[in-house]
Amino acid sequence: EIVMTQSPATLSVSPGESATLSCRASQSVRRDLAWYLQKPGQSPRLLIYGASTRATGIPARFSGSGSGTEFTLTISSLQSEDFAIYYCQQYHSWLTFGGGTKVEIK
Amino acid sequence: ELQLVQSGAEVKKPGESLKISCKGSGYSFTTYWIGWVRQMPGKGLEWMGIIYFGDSNTKYSPSFQGQVTISADRSISTAYLQWSSLEASDTAMYYCAGARNGNYFWDVWGQGTTVTVSS
Repeated sequence: EIVMTQSPATLSVSPGESATLSCRASQSVRRDLAWYLQKPGQSPRLLIYGASTRATGIPARFSGSGSGTEFTLTISSLQSEDFAIYYCQQYHSWLTFGGGTKVEIK
Repeated sequence: ELQLVQSGAEVKKPGESLKISCKGSGYSFTTYWIGWVRQMPGKGLEWMGIIYFGDSNTKYSPSFQGQVTISADRSISTAYLQWSSLEASDTAMYYCAGARNGNYFWDVWGQGTTVTVSS
């Protein structure tokens, strides 16, 4: 099973600043990597797929990059609605989520 | 656009059986995979298994193989997750999610079903 490791576990950011989240795979997943956002009490929401393609309706301040085993989600100019937990998920070999990164208000 | 609506919260006792549902509408369900995801209280997301509505092809995560059964009824566009004998450790939120055939990123999510197992 491919293990996905996200870092940091918690990221404290001020509104308007940018945030960089990392996701590492235990073996190559090529670009078969998605990012999701989950707010408290809500279902997850797809942000990015194919490592860098924004899902429908996702603002341009969200961008994804990487391939193989190293991936990054960057959120520029954080808005209040962006404070949440972010999960990466590989779909190259079965399906596995990372443990999540909580982005909190500094 | 596909929408997924899950059945309501359940409170069960250990040893009881349970079947929760995920009903699709608004799109051709038969071209979608439906997956089930567990989220234990205060924890992250875990894939349990997926089913393809076109032919009911089902795959399970190794951790959940033999622990749950995923099924579907194409005639009513509904997927199911069932347990034959619940344990307290099954207490969690369960989400269904949809992905178009050929893709395995999940762009449609149900609202979640809370399952509480307590004596």
